[in-house]
Amino acid sequence: SAVISQKPSRDICQRGTSLTIQCQVDSQVTMMFWYRQQPGQSLTLIATANQGSEATYESGFVIDKFPISRPNLTFSTLTVSNMSPEDSSIYLCSVERGTGTGELFFGEGSRLTVL
Amino acid sequence: AQSVAQPEDQVNVAEGNPLTVKCTYSVSGNPYLFWYVQYPNRGLQFLLKYITGDNLVKGSYGFEAEFNKSQTSFHLKKPSALVSDSALYFCAVRSRGSTLGRLYFGRGTQLTVWP
Repeated sequence: SAVISQKPSRDICQRGTSLTIQCQVDSQVTMMFWYRQQPGQSLTLIATANQGSEATYESGFVIDKFPISRPNLTFSTLTVSNMSPEDSSIYLCSVERGTGTGELFFGEGSRLTVL
Repeated sequence: AQSVAQPEDQVNVAEGNPLTVKCTYSVSGNPYLFWYVQYPNRGLQFLLKYITGDNLVKGSYGFEAEFNKSQTSFHLKKPSALVSDSALYFCAVRSRGSTLGRLYFGRGTQLTVWP
């Protein structure tokens, strides 16, 4: 199974600031996925990040708010811009486990609290 | 539209008793179905999946789930619960033909197994 490392694991941020979350995978993967888990809520896909192309965003999420980078096949970043308390969530990076399994493997998440 | 319903926010069972965590889904066409578990301050871990074939699928830690197409359900079961099974359980669905990482998650069910 892939090992996914996310940084930071948690942070407390001030309203109006931006924070970049890093996701490092120990193997090369084509697609990386960013999810959000709001308090007491289910997980929601934010975007799919492919190396060498712009990320594909889900309905309700925009690039200006959640810019994503994917500079190589093992790394991606998600920035949460101009944060408000509503952005307080756990942000999770995920990749497919193996090839063609359909199973997602998740990092341990980055818990952001916006004051 | 795709959706997942987990009708119980909490399930409490005594150790050694059987447990069931319920899940129903709505998706166009045949689904891919998944169960994930989240332990406190940890990322999601894959438990099991249904892709095709036998309606009863077996997964990690002695868990199993039964796909019921007529009832659009995919309930998670275990014959004998352990205290260590206490965690947050998520059901997820993906329609065939949709993007690999686009899972729709339920809101989660908190399972508590008491000694």
